[in-house]
Amino acid sequence: GIQVEQSPPDLILQEGANSTLRCNFSDSVNNLQWFHQNPWGQLINLFYIPSGTKQNGRLSATTVATERYSLLYISSSQTTDSGVYFCAVEPLDFGNEKLTFGTGTRLTIIP
Amino acid sequence: DTAVSQTPKYLVTQMGNDKSIKCEQNLGHDTMYWYKQDSKKFLKIMFSYNNKELIINETVPNRFSPKSPDKAHLNLHINSLELGDSAVYFCASSHRTGGGGAQYFGPGTRLLVL
Repeated sequence: GIQVEQSPPDLILQEGANSTLRCNFSDSVNNLQWFHQNPWGQLINLFYIPSGTKQNGRLSATTVATERYSLLYISSSQTTDSGVYFCAVEPLDFGNEKLTFGTGTRLTIIP
Repeated sequence: DTAVSQTPKYLVTQMGNDKSIKCEQNLGHDTMYWYKQDSKKFLKIMFSYNNKELIINETVPNRFSPKSPDKAHLNLHINSLELGDSAVYFCASSHRTGGGGAQYFGPGTRLLVL
């Protein structure tokens, strides 16, 4: 099956810093999503981004489908950004919306 | 007002018992899912229903049986619970028509089997 690798596995930053999280995947995809799991366990959908660039406030994401990677940018980090960020993909040849999740990047923002 | 809701939020039970988790979504989506998140935070899909039809059935012990009475509801029944079933179970939904869609997750059910 498709492999999804996220880097870095852990990231500790001061409040106000910027960060870039990366997601590499091993096969062509028709669905890529970024999620934030907050410290209380809630999974929030950040972006649905199989290709191109999207922005939502301090967060933006870019997927380069031909090179099989996606980047999540967080600017001016706040403590509420802490948590685990997951990338999830659906392979191009699988039509049943079976998302495969990466192992996540744990982000800790220090005040 | 909640988009995807699950009950109960916490479930503590003894080995061998049978339990159910319920999920409801009010987003008008046509596809619902069950995921399992283990102690290392790894998320894996278990089942998916589209318009009440089972479309994804991963390699899951047959002690786990999903049921979708209508498009807005998806339940998970677990028989003869084992220690290894302890995990967080998430329900999610999406709108599938026209290709992949963003998935929205419920708050999770934390299951602890003693």
